[in-house]
Amino acid sequence: DVKVTQSSRYLVKRTGEKVFLECVQDMDHENMFWYRQDPGLGLRLIYFSYDVKMKEKGDIPEGYSVSREKKERFSLILESASTNQTSMYLCASRTGQSYEQYFGPGTRLTVT
Amino acid sequence: ILNVEQSPQSLHVQEGDSTNFTCSFPSSNFYALHWYRWETAKSPEALFVMTLNGDEKKKGRISATLNTKEGYSYLYIKGSQPEDSATYLCAYYGGSQGNLIFGKGTKLSVKP
Repeated sequence: DVKVTQSSRYLVKRTGEKVFLECVQDMDHENMFWYRQDPGLGLRLIYFSYDVKMKEKGDIPEGYSVSREKKERFSLILESASTNQTSMYLCASRTGQSYEQYFGPGTRLTVT
Repeated sequence: ILNVEQSPQSLHVQEGDSTNFTCSFPSSNFYALHWYRWETAKSPEALFVMTLNGDEKKKGRISATLNTKEGYSYLYIKGSQPEDSATYLCAYYGGSQGNLIFGKGTKLSVKP
């Protein structure tokens, strides 16, 4: 079974803090993704990566950066957290040959 | 801008009712249409990946159809059970764009 894990299920941070959300997948997938999910807006793509050290902006990259130093790990970084970044964050991965994405359980981040 | 629409936004049914919901997507550059089920506190789980016009897929009491010429897919649940309560997401893959585009989901609640 493909497993995608995220470092925290719930996180509470203060405005201005630097926040790291970690995602690890164990199936040697080339592609990894970070989404946020907000009520009434659906899943929106923040950043994605096709390979180690490669990153591409998604639809809403502002206020975020990412890091992919190893194939299995994709980190989402909030350089200076703001209250409008309070959301559910989902990581996903897939192979280069398949359309199907596998999701992690999500991290619910609250910025106060 | 590519848009994926799902309707209805939410649905409340009684146990035993059959139900269906709709996903509409761009009919051009179609590669695949995904359906996911997302239960509270769990990862979104892939239900179906559909690629061919006229495709019909089934998993237990859940089935889906696909019309790529007119750009829609239906998801049917026969004899809904409380454990079917979840948000059902569809996602369009247009190939050239490279990433899944998600609808906002249909939230299904099944009352015992």
